[in-house]
Amino acid sequence: AQSVAQPEDQVNVAEGNPLTVKCTYSVSGNPYLFWYVQYPNRGLQFLLKYITGDNLVKGSYGFEAEFNKSQTSFHLKKPSALVSDSALYFCAVPFLYNFNKFYFGSGTKLNVKP
Amino acid sequence: IAGITQAPTSQILAAGRRMTLRCTQDMRHNAMYWYRQDLGLGLRLIHYSNTAGTTGKGEVPDGYSVSRANTDDFPLTLASAVPSQTSVYFCASSAAGGDNQPQHFGDGTRLSIL
Repeated sequence: AQSVAQPEDQVNVAEGNPLTVKCTYSVSGNPYLFWYVQYPNRGLQFLLKYITGDNLVKGSYGFEAEFNKSQTSFHLKKPSALVSDSALYFCAVPFLYNFNKFYFGSGTKLNVKP
Repeated sequence: IAGITQAPTSQILAAGRRMTLRCTQDMRHNAMYWYRQDLGLGLRLIHYSNTAGTTGKGEVPDGYSVSRANTDDFPLTLASAVPSQTSVYFCASSAAGGDNQPQHFGDGTRLSIL
């Protein structure tokens, strides 16, 4: 069965410092992995996805994610955090045999302090 | 601006009442989805529709029904609301095609069942 796990409910980082939001996955077959961001009182917004190819995927707002097959991880990263990056982040994986449906992780709240 | 419109934005409802949450998209996406978001549980898929005229059950379909009479609209109905259905409901759409298109989300309906 397809699943993702986000081991941290919350991540705190100072503005200007690098940030990492963790995601591990368990999938059958080739992994297709996604990151979304949710700002307060808003719906989720797509950030980036890994389908195949380079292990480092670049996305919106300066975010990138590193796919690591040996560690079954897909961590979201940004070299220099902004206060405006404070939000809820979700990783997601498609259902097996139905790529239009997704399982979402439980979410990680990122707090960037000035 | 193209996107997904959900209505109402919030609602307080007495238990046992019938309620329909509306969702309309203007992106001509084939696939549409309903999720509920609960603290600590992330997003859980309630129902989905790969194309107009078809619907399918997600992870938590009990107590909910959907219809997809046309491409743009995907209403979610609670036939007899119960307090456990208190949640934030998100509608989403994607350009179905089997190549892992990202989902686009509305801003949600906050529903409280008393």
